[in-house]
Amino acid sequence: EAGVAQSPRYKIIEKRQSVAFWCNPISGHATLYWYQQILGQGPKLLIQFQNNGVVDDSQLPKDRFSAERLKGVDSTLKIQPAKLEDSAVYLCASSLPGELFFGEGSRLTVL
Amino acid sequence: AQSVTQLGSHVSVSEGALVLLRCNYSSSVPPYLFWYVQYPNQGLQLLLKYTSAATLVKGINGFEAEFKKSETSFHLTKPSAHMSDAAEYFCAVSLLYNQGGKLIFGQGTELSVKP
Repeated sequence: EAGVAQSPRYKIIEKRQSVAFWCNPISGHATLYWYQQILGQGPKLLIQFQNNGVVDDSQLPKDRFSAERLKGVDSTLKIQPAKLEDSAVYLCASSLPGELFFGEGSRLTVL
Repeated sequence: AQSVTQLGSHVSVSEGALVLLRCNYSSSVPPYLFWYVQYPNQGLQLLLKYTSAATLVKGINGFEAEFKKSETSFHLTKPSAHMSDAAEYFCAVSLLYNQGGKLIFGQGTELSVKP
């Protein structure tokens, strides 16, 4: 069974530039999450989708971050404009009840 | 509000020694608890989960954890460390089992295994 796919794996940008990350969840998983993992910290939930609807985006900095999940499958997380403190690994996950399946993450470095 | 505290950001053990990674939680209702492992440059993988069925939970790779309500703890153990166990370990809590993906994570404990 194919896992959660994410791209790109690595991205380096200058502050104030924009970046987008893509995620393809495990087939059939209706729930999709984006987590932010800053170096030395545990992952923090940014946004949760159920099919193509947003369930929880209370932790998403909406002035610069946006996410969508068109057609209830793939998802895109965008940051515009990026700040230095956005340097982190962005983890996408999809779930069955009681278990999360994570992708390998997209590592963002903002210079 | 829920929270998780992992005691010790770094633990070092010798190969063959006992592994003990500590996790304490705070929750106003019975929680669901998880341990995840993260190898370098990889995503997180579920080790085990507590869902109130049994207080001693066995997971993959020989790990187990015991839920102790009186101590609000969910420590992770393995009797004999292997070099391949070197990784970052995260404890996490969720109030709603069906929202097993909506987790609050601890800050992580990096496990080093010495030959």
